[in-house]
Amino acid sequence: DAEITQSPRHKITETGRQVTLACHQTWNHNNMFWYRQDLGHGLRLIHYSYGVQDTNKGEVSDGYSVSRSNTEDLPLTLESAASSQTSVYFCASRPDEGYNEQFFGPGTRLTVL
Amino acid sequence: LAKTTQPISMDSYEGQEVNITCSHNNIATNDYITWYQQFPSQGPRFIIQGYKTKVTNEVASLFIPADRKSSTLSLPRVSLSDTAVYYCLVGLVDTGRRALTFGSGTRLQVQP
Repeated sequence: DAEITQSPRHKITETGRQVTLACHQTWNHNNMFWYRQDLGHGLRLIHYSYGVQDTNKGEVSDGYSVSRSNTEDLPLTLESAASSQTSVYFCASRPDEGYNEQFFGPGTRLTVL
Repeated sequence: LAKTTQPISMDSYEGQEVNITCSHNNIATNDYITWYQQFPSQGPRFIIQGYKTKVTNEVASLFIPADRKSSTLSLPRVSLSDTAVYYCLVGLVDTGRRALTFGSGTRLQVQP
């Protein structure tokens, strides 16, 4: 069955380190998204991509970057981790046709000490 | 994007019907209403979507009045496993090239 996976599921790192969170989907969706969710809040969009070599900034993109070298993967990189980036990160994908169903991964819980 | 307002939390008991109402006074003509469900430690999951009147699937029903300024998600005979956060979203569905805007959602707690 097609799916979307994230790794690692849990990560503890130190302030100033570079961290990369992986996202892999097997639906062959062109559209992929990264969100962060902080305790008691909804999801906020970090970066998104509409296809290979395409990346766009979301509402909370500072300190994050993404790259899209193939359809299946959209890794999220924290250039220099900060304590304010402690959060749960969700990756999602959706097909091109008009519909509001996004498929979310299981999430990565990141703690920056 | 149209702003949505939902109750912060709701409590219910097993076997009851739960109705969660979402207000979206500024909904645009071409906007659809979509509901997501999020269990603890999981990503959100699509439940149902509609444009007007009533939509029903195996999980829930969505009621949308004629003026479309609000909508109600109805969960029949809830169980403990329906304890989750429910998000109401409003926006276009003409293309997959759209991120979703999630508010804080409604935290539903189902008691035995």
